[in-house]
Amino acid sequence: GAVVSQHPSRVICKSGTSVKIECRSLDFQATTMFWYRQFPKQSLMLMATSNEGSKATYEQGVEKDKFLINHASLTLSTLTVTSAHPEDSSFYICSARDFRTSGSSDTQYFGPGTRLTVL
Amino acid sequence: DQQVKQNSPSLSVQEGRISILNCDYTNSMFDYFLWYKKYPAEGPTFLISISSIKDKNEDGRFTVFLNKSAKHLSLHIVPSQPGDSAVYFCAASGRVQGAQKLVFGQGTRLTINP
Repeated sequence: GAVVSQHPSRVICKSGTSVKIECRSLDFQATTMFWYRQFPKQSLMLMATSNEGSKATYEQGVEKDKFLINHASLTLSTLTVTSAHPEDSSFYICSARDFRTSGSSDTQYFGPGTRLTVL
Repeated sequence: DQQVKQNSPSLSVQEGRISILNCDYTNSMFDYFLWYKKYPAEGPTFLISISSIKDKNEDGRFTVFLNKSAKHLSLHIVPSQPGDSAVYFCAASGRVQGAQKLVFGQGTRLTINP
């Protein structure tokens, strides 16, 4: 159980275009999903917290107009990188918190990640 | 301000021996701790967790120890196997700036030598 999928796994795009990444919880409902970014040989940095049916909460320094997050259902959150530039190239990973275990036992289950390369 | 630290970027262990990965934290509000295993170009895989009310949790070859007074936790893997070679992240959960979040350490690359 607790499987999270992410699509696409890899995307290459031209500078100035927008890219949408989907995150789905396959066998559980996730009231909260998280979007992380990982640079090479570094830790996972939280970008934003996505709550179903409400606006996302962005971490300090993350541009909410550039990284648009939508969490329209209990099993789907999307991250859209708008007007992508080469410095946005990174590994983006989503995670989902199981609704049934929300609370102090904050186990997040991660998707496989999306490698974005902006040319 | 690195609230969760893994001071060893890498660790090399002989197959069959014990691997010990360490993690320190600074925020006493953290109440739940997790270890994740990660391969390159993949998402982290949940391994084992421990609540702050416990000092030990065991699951097969994996044991996590928590020393709250020292704000230190460790992951023991015994016996170590070649498939254990990966990057291990420790994470701490708690209310950070008003929201429940996971804060990750920098990771330790574990290499198991045959």
